[in-house]
Amino acid sequence: DAGITQSPRHKVTETGTPVTLRCHQTENHRYMYWYRQDPGHGLRLIHYSYGVKDTDKGEVSDGYSVSRSKTEDFLLTLESATSSQTSVYFCAISESHGVMNTEAFFGQGTRLTVV
Amino acid sequence: GENVEQHPSTLSVQEGDSAVIKCTYSDSASNYFPWYKQELGKGPQLIIDIRSNVGEKKDQRIAVTLNKTAKHFSLHITETQPEDSAVYFCAASTGGFKTIFGAGTRLFVKA
Repeated sequence: DAGITQSPRHKVTETGTPVTLRCHQTENHRYMYWYRQDPGHGLRLIHYSYGVKDTDKGEVSDGYSVSRSKTEDFLLTLESATSSQTSVYFCAISESHGVMNTEAFFGQGTRLTVV
Repeated sequence: GENVEQHPSTLSVQEGDSAVIKCTYSDSASNYFPWYKQELGKGPQLIIDIRSNVGEKKDQRIAVTLNKTAKHFSLHITETQPEDSAVYFCAASTGGFKTIFGAGTRLFVKA
């Protein structure tokens, strides 16, 4: 398995509180991603990073921010959690990008419940 | 916007039978089509992929076919086993960072 660790694995938080999820990789891959998984929607990209301090928005980025201060760490922050952000969050990494995509490796997920 | 439709959402087969999952995509610029398997409590894992310059690819009991004209691609699993039970996702990518996933198919293989 690719060396990807997500923390925490489970979290329950109250509406309006900030929450930070962490993704740590030991593969030295340049590209990192945050997805959310909801029934009937598959996986949807929240934010991605193509290098240290280089990040950009995905298709469902509203209410989320990210930071990448080191190659190995990619943080996802819910600035003020809402019930619609209850989901399972996956971090993914990939080695390269370009015209032809390559395999992405996924972490084991973080189940977040906002009450 | 671009989307990937995946059917069926649930599939139940008898052990030893074949299973077929179908996807259609809307963005004609898509050139990479991975399939992921997700077991309970785990993240998705790539099982096979195909690129736009290939019509078919096989890996043991798993095969994927691509029809670029019709914008269809399919996953075929032969001689299914109970350990094949999982959720399967198709995806289509245009390169760069845009990968669109299907909604998933939950496969049950009955022993």
